[in-house]
Amino acid sequence: QLQLQESGPGLVKPSETLSLTCIVSGGSISSSSDYWGWIRQPPGKGLEWIGSMYHSGSTYYNPSLKSRITISADTSKNQFSLKLSSVTAADTAVYYCARHKFSTGWFFPDYWGQGTLVTVSS
Amino acid sequence: SYELTQPPSVSVSPGQTARITCSGDALPKKYAYWYQQKSGQAPVLVIYEDSKRPSGIPERFSGSSSGTMATLTISGAQVEDEADYYCYSTDSSGNNYYVFGTGTKVTVL
Repeated sequence: QLQLQESGPGLVKPSETLSLTCIVSGGSISSSSDYWGWIRQPPGKGLEWIGSMYHSGSTYYNPSLKSRITISADTSKNQFSLKLSSVTAADTAVYYCARHKFSTGWFFPDYWGQGTLVTVSS
Repeated sequence: SYELTQPPSVSVSPGQTARITCSGDALPKKYAYWYQQKSGQAPVLVIYEDSKRPSGIPERFSGSSSGTMATLTISGAQVEDEADYYCYSTDSSGNNYYVFGTGTKVTVL
């Protein structure tokens, strides 16, 4: 059974870089049919797609965040990461990592981690 | 930026049918996907590619799409179906930019 687990600091200071890692077990991030990505949800609000990547290095980002985010993979550790720079209080959210299944030309999250709350505050 | 619009809330009595809509300009050419999120939990995929149901999802969940609107139907809603529901799709740019809908709170009472 595929499992994903987010890890990283729960508190980040304004203007600093948020860094999260998603550890994948029960499957390989090098799978040919899977993408891997991040979604966030501010407290009490809806879901926001952040972006996703393929193990070869191709990345796809939300245009509203593109200038601040980097999603990358470490295939040797079977994990992938998110870096979000210059954070503000508006970046406070539960961050989910998720496998994005590729099918018929599109990809969609089908397996999710449990989520981790990141608070931006001094 | 691309938007998918959902009604904020839908109420249904147990055993009745709930319909949740998702409106987006690109939906005539793009698939819609639906997620259920119960309080304090990660979302769960309930419908993919407009109308397909993942294994383990009850048959009372079904999906359809026509024109610029996709619909999630819960036939014979159960108390345990009370949750937030989000649609998900991509815009027509071809840049693999994906969005979630605004979300719908379904109350079963």
